[in-house]
Amino acid sequence: GIQVEQSPPDLILQEGANSTLRCNFSDSVNNLQWFHQNPWGQLINLFYIPSGTKQNGRLSATTVATERYSLLYISSSQTTDSGVYFCAVELSGTYKYIFGTGTRLKVLA
Amino acid sequence: EPEVTQTPSHQVTQMGQEVILRCVPISNHLYFYWYRQILGQKVEFLVSFYNNEISEKSEIFDDQFSVERPDGSNFTLKIRSTKLEDSAMYFCASSVGTRGEKLFFGSGTQLSVL
Repeated sequence: GIQVEQSPPDLILQEGANSTLRCNFSDSVNNLQWFHQNPWGQLINLFYIPSGTKQNGRLSATTVATERYSLLYISSSQTTDSGVYFCAVELSGTYKYIFGTGTRLKVLA
Repeated sequence: EPEVTQTPSHQVTQMGQEVILRCVPISNHLYFYWYRQILGQKVEFLVSFYNNEISEKSEIFDDQFSVERPDGSNFTLKIRSTKLEDSAMYFCASSVGTRGEKLFFGSGTQLSVL
């Protein structure tokens, strides 16, 4: 089956720093979404981004589908950005999203 | 903003007992999903559901699991005879469609099997 790998697995930042999270997938996908799992366990949808670039405030994401990766940029990080970031991909002809391995982010005040 | 609601937030049960986890998807959504997350691990797909039938299921979703949409608003996951390894956070999700639509998750039910 498809492999969805995220890097780095863990990341510690000082408040105000910028970061780039990466999602690599081993097969062609129809759709890709990024989620933030906050410290209370809630999964929050950040972006639906099968290709191209989107921005929402301090967050932006880019997916290069032909090269099978997506990037999530966090600028001027805040302590509330802490949690686990997951990418999830949907294969063509399927009705399911496969989640990546996650990046655990901790932002220090 | 509309949200997916799940009840209960925590469920403790004895091994071998049946449990039913409940979800109310967002009202205009047509596609429903169950996922689970064992503590500290990644989120795993269980089943997708559309038009009152299962669209796809994973290897985890064996004969012990079933899903149902008993009325126009609820979506349930039943585990017939729970095992210790069923202990996990179970998430319900919904979307308007499968193409070009965001997936929205509920807050989850933490299931503990003793």
